[in-house]
Amino acid sequence: AQKITQTQPGMFVQEKEAVTLDCTYDTSDQSYGLFWYKQPSSGEMIFLIYQGSYDEQNATEGRYSLNFQKARKSANLVISASQLGDSAMYFCAMKASRDDKIIFGKGTRLHILP
Amino acid sequence: DAGVTQSPTHLIKTRGQQVTLRCSPISGHKSVSWYQQVLGQGPQFIFQYYEKEERGRGNFPDRFSARQFPNYSSELNVNALLLGDSALYLCASSLSFGQQLGGYTFGSGTRLTVV
Repeated sequence: AQKITQTQPGMFVQEKEAVTLDCTYDTSDQSYGLFWYKQPSSGEMIFLIYQGSYDEQNATEGRYSLNFQKARKSANLVISASQLGDSAMYFCAMKASRDDKIIFGKGTRLHILP
Repeated sequence: DAGVTQSPTHLIKTRGQQVTLRCSPISGHKSVSWYQQVLGQGPQFIFQYYEKEERGRGNFPDRFSARQFPNYSSELNVNALLLGDSALYLCASSLSFGQQLGGYTFGSGTRLTVV
């Protein structure tokens, strides 16, 4: 069975600092994708970044990068130069190539301090 | 272009009642998925529909049902509501089945409260 583990329920970070949100996953599938989503208080899930299991390079999208360590089954999100608007819930998620079911972790609440 | 639209945004129902939630996908998207997000948890997969056919179902009781219409919009129906059904219900759309490259766009959700 697929499983996502996020061990940090909450984090406080000073504005402009970099922050790493931890994510480990478990799957027996060989082909899968890993996602990070941001959920502000409005409730909408905002897609941030994607990493395929066969991608050799770590994914980057602007200030977001995904530190993918396949052997350790780790997919940490790194946010550089954090901003006040980054305060939100962050979810790590995965799906196998064989279906469209996205499995989410329990999330990490990030607070950016001015 | 409009994103994924869900209605209503908020809803209060009494135990035992029935509720219908609606979702309009992004124009051109043919796949719609439904997720339930209980407070303090990550979303859990309920259903996926593609081309009006059910393509996946999560571990939810038969009180939950859904359908997709010819215009690719979708309804989620929950019968005999329980207090535990109180949650944010999210709809996600994608171009097709098996989309990989982050092509899932979520709506803002319907917040259902059962009293």
